[in-house]
Parts: sequence; structure tokens; C-alpha cells
Amino acid sequence: LAKTTQPISMDSYEGQEVNITCSHNNIATNDYITWYQQFPSQGPRFIIQGYKTKVTNEVASLFIPADRKSSTLSLPRVSLSDTAVYYCLVVHSDTGRRALTFGSGTRLQVQP
Amino acid sequence: EPEVTQTPSHQVTQMGQEVILRCVPISNHLYFYWYRQILGQKVEFLVSFYNNEISEKSEIFDDQFSVERPDGSNFTLKIRSTKLEDSAMYFCASSEVAASRNEQYFGPGTRLTVT
Repeated sequence: LAKTTQPISMDSYEGQEVNITCSHNNIATNDYITWYQQFPSQGPRFIIQGYKTKVTNEVASLFIPADRKSSTLSLPRVSLSDTAVYYCLVVHSDTGRRALTFGSGTRLQVQP
Repeated sequence: EPEVTQTPSHQVTQMGQEVILRCVPISNHLYFYWYRQILGQKVEFLVSFYNNEISEKSEIFDDQFSVERPDGSNFTLKIRSTKLEDSAMYFCASSEVAASRNEQYFGPGTRLTVT
């Protein structure tokens, strides 16, 4: 059975690096792994996407091991405004059925 | 910056009634999606739509749900006979290509309350 799991919550301080890992078995072979940020009462917002190894953009890095059964979102120097819920999004492939699946979400609280 | 819009922002309906949630995706996007988020829970995929037909749907998207692109701009989700457990935030999203290979742009959501 496909599962996508993340830590429920994380705490950090301003200026620190934060790493959030998502575990995803049965990920579809040809599909990307995407991470989103969600503030209260808003829709998710795209952060970064990758297929394997490492991807970096202006706000984050994404590390994906060779087996692609997990991925780690790295936020280099968090600020108070990074307090939000972070979700990974993958495509699971179970018995031929494809399903876009959000992870359980990680609530990041950044303290001053 | 182009954005996905959704109407209404909040819909209250009685159990058993039909509701239609409306979305206007970004104009040059080809893929459209509906998600729901029950209060305090994670975002759940409902359905994806491309080339005027459903491309994928989840187990949640049963016969009481339907989607339509009635014209060149709107994308709608219809719930035929609402149940209490349909109360949730419903998000529409769109992307240029398939979600698995491109970022999705989400709308602000419609909060559906079934009484």
C-alpha cells in the first residue's frame, strides 16, 4: 500500500537551516517529486520540484536519493515568514492505478 | 502575475443539495485539478482534467462528483447530493503540463459547509 509520510511538526529559529524529509514508497517511475508550502486559509504554493539527485532554486534545495523512496526539502536560512505547513507531492503507482498524493504535511514553526 | 480564481469563497448548503464550485484556471494552462482539504487535515487529490476529459481520479471522486469545462475559461466541480462529510476546503489548480512534471498553481479555495 502506497504511503507518503512526513514528520508532523518541526521547530526552528530564524537563520537556521531546516531539512524536512518525506518518505514515499511505490513512487511512479517517471514522475517528479514536488514540494509545496501552505499558509493558513490559502492554497498550496509551489516551492521546488525534482526527479533525482539535487535541485536548487532561489528559495530551497531538494535532495533525492537514487532509490527515490524519500526526498528532503532544505530551507537554507529560515525566517519567521517561513512558518507554514510543507507538503511533498508525488505520484503513486499501485497496481497500475496512478494517484497524485500529498504527504501528511509538516508544520514548521520558526521562532525569533 | 496570472492567478487561479475560485467562486464562491464560502458556500453553505444543506445536506442532500447540489452544489457547483467554480474555478477560472490560468488562461494558457492545459491541465486542471480539484483537491479538497478537510479542516486540520492534509490536501487530498480528487480529479485531474485534460483535453476535455478526466485523466485521473481518486477513490474519493465517486459518482456524486462531476467536473466540467463548460466554456473556454471556467472549470467546475459539482457535488450532486452533499453529505456532512463533504464539508471541506476545495482547491482548484492548473498547470501548463501534467502536474507531475510542472508546478501547479492553486486558487484560494472555496470553503464548503454542509449542514
